[in-house]
Amino acid sequence: DIQMTQSPSTLSASVGDRVTITCRASQSISSWLAWYQQKPGKAPKLLIYKASSLESGVPSRFSGSGSGTEFTLTISSLQPDDFATYYCQQYNTVFRTFGQGTKVEIK
Amino acid sequence: QVTLKESGPVLVKPTETLTLTCTVSGFSLSNARMGVSWIRQPPGKALEWLAHIFSNDEKSYSTSLKSRLTISKDTSKSQVVLTMTNMDPVDTATYYCARTWIRDAFDIWGQGTMVTVSS
Repeated sequence: DIQMTQSPSTLSASVGDRVTITCRASQSISSWLAWYQQKPGKAPKLLIYKASSLESGVPSRFSGSGSGTEFTLTISSLQPDDFATYYCQQYNTVFRTFGQGTKVEIK
Repeated sequence: QVTLKESGPVLVKPTETLTLTCTVSGFSLSNARMGVSWIRQPPGKALEWLAHIFSNDEKSYSTSLKSRLTISKDTSKSQVVLTMTNMDPVDTATYYCARTWIRDAFDIWGQGTMVTVSS
């Protein structure tokens, strides 16, 4: 199975900060990567698909980049609503896998 | 409006079989490229993908749990069913169903259903 590793596990940041989360795949997944945001007690929400495509309705401060084995999610200016846990997920094969998550906390 | 909703028991005993149902609305399970996955999340832990079924009835399972899982669908009832055998307390989690379609990523999720495994 393809393993997905996110870093950091926890990130402390302030409103207005630029935030970057990294996701690495154990083998090439081309651009078949998605990013999700999850708030406590809620289902995950799709932010980015195919590594860099913004899901409809998602603010433009969210962006994704990368291909192959290394990917990043960037929040250009962190807003109060963005404090949450973020997961990457590969769908290069029918055996889909998630990263372990990155919690974005208030500094 | 496109929605998915999970249903099933809140509490199961160790060694029992869990059966969960995902009822979808606003789309058809027979649409080309449509798929539904089951994903779980133990309390305070990460998401774990379990199984997926496509509109052509092709199925895929988590390698580590394959022997315990069965996924199926009833298109006429707009339902996807997951069974997991030999439940253990470590299987305590919130279980989600989620849709894939044109994006191939999970674009719509159910609200989740919490299942506790305890005697």
